[in-house]
Order: sequence, then structure tokens, then C-alpha cells
Amino acid sequence: ELVLTQSPGTLSLSPGERVTLSCRASQSVSGTFLAWYQQKSGQPPRLLIYDTSSRAAGIPDRFSGSGSGTDFTLTISRLEPEDFAVYYCQQYVSSTWTFGQGTKVEIK
Amino acid sequence: QVRLQESGPGLVKPSETLSLTCTVSGASISSYSWGWIRQSPGKGLEWIAYINHGGSTSYNPSLKSRVTMSRDTPENQFSLKLSSVTAADTAVYYCARRGCGDSLCFDIWGRGTLVTVSS
Repeated sequence: ELVLTQSPGTLSLSPGERVTLSCRASQSVSGTFLAWYQQKSGQPPRLLIYDTSSRAAGIPDRFSGSGSGTDFTLTISRLEPEDFAVYYCQQYVSSTWTFGQGTKVEIK
Repeated sequence: QVRLQESGPGLVKPSETLSLTCTVSGASISSYSWGWIRQSPGKGLEWIAYINHGGSTSYNPSLKSRVTMSRDTPENQFSLKLSSVTAADTAVYYCARRGCGDSLCFDIWGRGTLVTVSS
């Protein structure tokens, strides 16, 4: 069973800062199926990144993804006020979708 | 614009069957694949079930014995049934479209519906 571990659990940052979120898989996975979502309170998740590094439609270029094998990263180059939210990574392996437990990015 | 709307009872008694429907507008369900994902209060996301454009299904192994996903093409809807529910099944249930071309991610989500399991 694939397990995705996100770190850190919570990040306290100020607008304008650079953010790097980590997603580590318990086994090597295909980057083709690694995605990142943003979720704000009371809203459904919003797709940000798919195929490790492809931005979804309408996603600003301050969001970028990278990684391979077991280690993947979501970077926000410069935090905007609307970026404070919970971020989830997601992977597909063997007909099963798995989500990480999430990283909360909160205002410092 | 593609929209998804979940519907179903907000309260289900323990041991009964949870039944939800997702109504799709702006796209034909037979042209895409679709999924159900849930989120327990204050917790993370858990994938439940998936149906591809051909009608084949796959289920989360931890829920497989209790889950059935189906679709109604003329009505442009798909549904979820989860049997023998317990309090642990209390969650917001989302339906979502598998988009992103050949990738396996969910690009459009419904707003979600809260289902509470309680007597």
C-alpha cells in the first residue's frame, strides 16, 4: 500500500515569502500521476499541479511542482494572501488513488 | 462550464446504506471518468471509488466490500452506495471528474455534501 507523507504539517509564513512543501512516497512512483491540490475552509479541493509539474488551467505561475521517484515538491514562489490554505499531494498506483495528509500554510 | 452537484440524505442511521448521486452538467458522463472522494471532519482526503468512461469501476481496497459505484448515462448522473455504515463514515462526500488528459487526477469537483451517520 502506497503511503504519501507530507511535511511539514503546518507552516507559519508571511505574505511574500517563498514556500516549499514536501511529499514523500513510501515507494517509487511515476511522476506522471503525481498531483497537488489546494483546499480552503469549506471549499472542495482545487487542482493546482498534475504530472508532477504541469499547472492546471488558470493556476498562476507562482505555483510550481517538481520531483521524481519518492520525493516531490510544491513551491509557491511568493505567497499571496489567497494562498493560505491546506495543500494535498495525490498519487495513483495500481488502480488506487492515495492522498497525503496535507500541509497547512497559515499566516504568521 | 462543467458542474457537479452531489445530492442525497444528510443523515444515515448506523448499519444502513448511504446513497449519493452526482449530477453532471456541461459534459457527458460517458466521455469522461469520475470518482468519489470523502473527507472526515477535520481530516484529510480519502478516495472511495472510480468509474471510467467505459463503465468499469475500481474501489478503495479498504472499502471495497461495502461500496458500489454506478452510472446513469441518460440522466447524466453517477452514484455511490456505501453499505453497513458506522460513525466512521461520517464525512463530506465529493464527486469529481478525472480530467488532466492522460493523467490520473481530479480536475473538477462538486461542492461536497455532508453525510452524518447517527441514530
